[in-house]
Amino acid sequence: DIVMTQTPLSLSVTPGQPASISCKSSQSLLHSDGKTYLYWYLQKPGQSPQLLIYEVSSRFSGVPDRFSGSGSGTDFTLKISRVEAEDVGVYYCMQGIHLTWTFGQGTKVEIK
Amino acid sequence: QVQLVQSGAEVKKPGASVKVSCKASGYTFTSYGISWVRQAPGQGLEWMGWISAYNGNTNYAQKLQGRVTMTTDTSTSTAYMELRSLRSDDTAVYYCAREVFDYWGQGTLVTVSS
Repeated sequence: DIVMTQTPLSLSVTPGQPASISCKSSQSLLHSDGKTYLYWYLQKPGQSPQLLIYEVSSRFSGVPDRFSGSGSGTDFTLKISRVEAEDVGVYYCMQGIHLTWTFGQGTKVEIK
Repeated sequence: QVQLVQSGAEVKKPGASVKVSCKASGYTFTSYGISWVRQAPGQGLEWMGWISAYNGNTNYAQKLQGRVTMTTDTSTSTAYMELRSLRSDDTAVYYCAREVFDYWGQGTLVTVSS
């Protein structure tokens, strides 16, 4: 199975400041169809996960543009340009290149 | 709007089985598969498997092979996940999600306790 490794595992951010989360996969997530099957989710306290970014860098409907994703192959990054109070929760990266999906361990983001 | 509504919380004894339902609305059910993900208390997300709502094809996580069965009922746009031979470490919130994980159910807490 592909292993997804996130860093850091926790992050404390001052409102208005940027934040960045790294996600590394044990194998390339570039599929032969040309797509890279890397996704980012936010699970707010007490809620179901919600999709933020799909296929590395595409924002899902309704996701604020302060969220952006980048990367290729095995190295990926989620950036929040200016953290807001509503961004607290646990962020997960997820891969699905072989129709066997695996998640990173999660990065807990809190507000200072 | 797309909605996935799951069945209510369950308490089961070790060795028993549980069947969780996930009723879809707001889209053509057979156009997307359904994945199941679970989350043990205070832990991360674990993918359990996927089922095609179009033809019933399944793909299960290796660690659950032989204990899990996923099915769909296209007449009611409902997906089901049955887990057998329950153990205490199966205690978790179980989520269904549309194939590309863009929409999720509200979660179903399954507690396994003697």
